[in-house]
Amino acid sequence: QKEVEQDPGPLSVPEGAIVSLNCTYSNSAFQYFMWYRQYSRKGPELLMYTYSSGNKEDGRFTAQVDKSSKYISLFIRDSQPSDSATYLCAMSGFGETSGSRLTFGEGTQLTVNP
Amino acid sequence: ETGVTQSPTHLIKTRGQQVTLRCSSQSGHNTVSWYQQALGQGPQFIFQYYREEENGRGNFPPRFSGLQFPNYSSELNVNALELDDSALYLCASSGGGGQPQHFGDGTRLSIL
Repeated sequence: QKEVEQDPGPLSVPEGAIVSLNCTYSNSAFQYFMWYRQYSRKGPELLMYTYSSGNKEDGRFTAQVDKSSKYISLFIRDSQPSDSATYLCAMSGFGETSGSRLTFGEGTQLTVNP
Repeated sequence: ETGVTQSPTHLIKTRGQQVTLRCSSQSGHNTVSWYQQALGQGPQFIFQYYREEENGRGNFPPRFSGLQFPNYSSELNVNALELDDSALYLCASSGGGGQPQHFGDGTRLSIL
């Protein structure tokens, strides 16, 4: 069983829709939770970074972490065609150096249709 | 502020050869991590360097090795290349105080 499970999709939505992306995990040592966006032929770009449980909002993006259920989510409001990309969840435990090793999900491919 | 830069962008090698990939970390970042991303998969952790010392390693054989230099730039070396080594190799850097990792655009390695 993988430490981090993420539905690979593909997910296709109309412009303006609310998008919900999710990951589950099995390692209770994970403390830091991230969402990255990756466009084709590019590296992952950090979208959201949260520590422990709770919600975090940044513009059209909201990240939720529920450590009791080992479940994290990313919501995208008013989705735009420019949001079309692969979304990767990532997590890490507490390490002596910043960030420590990241464990990624498989990524969800999202297409927002005009 | 300059982000993470990687070179080369694309490389073609044959089985058994050796390759060196390079990474310049973001200004102010002292930790560099390397990841391998196969097509359609999430990145897999190879190893991490902090202040020129290896600080954690994933499930990769010893023919994957690395270096970090005093200016915090880094190299990934792979010996005896195999077909399965074909992937996007990503470098990420991070600073202190629990800051997140920021990625470069990677080097796409193709093994023939």
